[in-house]
Amino acid sequence: NAGVTQTPKFRVLKTGQSMTLLCAQDMNHEYMYWYRQDPGMGLRLIHYSVGEGTTAKGEVPDGYNVSRLKKQNFLLGLESAAPSQTSVYFCAAAQGVVNEKLFFGSGTQLSVL
Amino acid sequence: GIQVEQSPPDLILQEGANSTLRCNFSDSVNNLQWFHQNPWGQLINLFYIPSGTKQNGRLSATTVATERYSLLYISSSQTTDSGVYFCAGDYTGANSKLTFGKGITLSVRP
Repeated sequence: NAGVTQTPKFRVLKTGQSMTLLCAQDMNHEYMYWYRQDPGMGLRLIHYSVGEGTTAKGEVPDGYNVSRLKKQNFLLGLESAAPSQTSVYFCAAAQGVVNEKLFFGSGTQLSVL
Repeated sequence: GIQVEQSPPDLILQEGANSTLRCNFSDSVNNLQWFHQNPWGQLINLFYIPSGTKQNGRLSATTVATERYSLLYISSSQTTDSGVYFCAGDYTGANSKLTFGKGITLSVRP
């Protein structure tokens, strides 16, 4: 049972390039989230989903897009990467109600040069 | 949104010591949780504790929702307890984001 799996684990982009981060969960959880973690700022919510086919904006959504075409997958896209998007990105999933007991993936370290 | 303050920001312990980590909220919260981020960056859910007290081995947590705080107790600390401890909660009455504190960095020395 892998839980929440993120790919890739590391990535370096040049400014203006695009990429997609994949989050997959095998727990059949309804709710999925993308967070970013920056030094001294804790974790901030980018986007989240309350079920297949739904997405919603979080605290810092600008510059990112998401999709949840299948219940088990939540994709985070950067259309035109900027140095300000250098961060560690975490995906999380929760079962019961939104925000109930989050389980996190292992993170993706992204550097935008 | 709610404000989450964690204290102390940094803590150094000798192995075997006990400690209390505190989380204060600016308003009533739901879904209060404690997480441990180990030195390799992995985030582990320690407790989902919207109210009351829970224990898991050497760790226990207490949330007093009416007074807007939660405490995490670590007893007989071990070097593997090192890392950053985060608390998080969301604002009562709204389908809103889970707000994280900035974390408490714990170093347990052998």
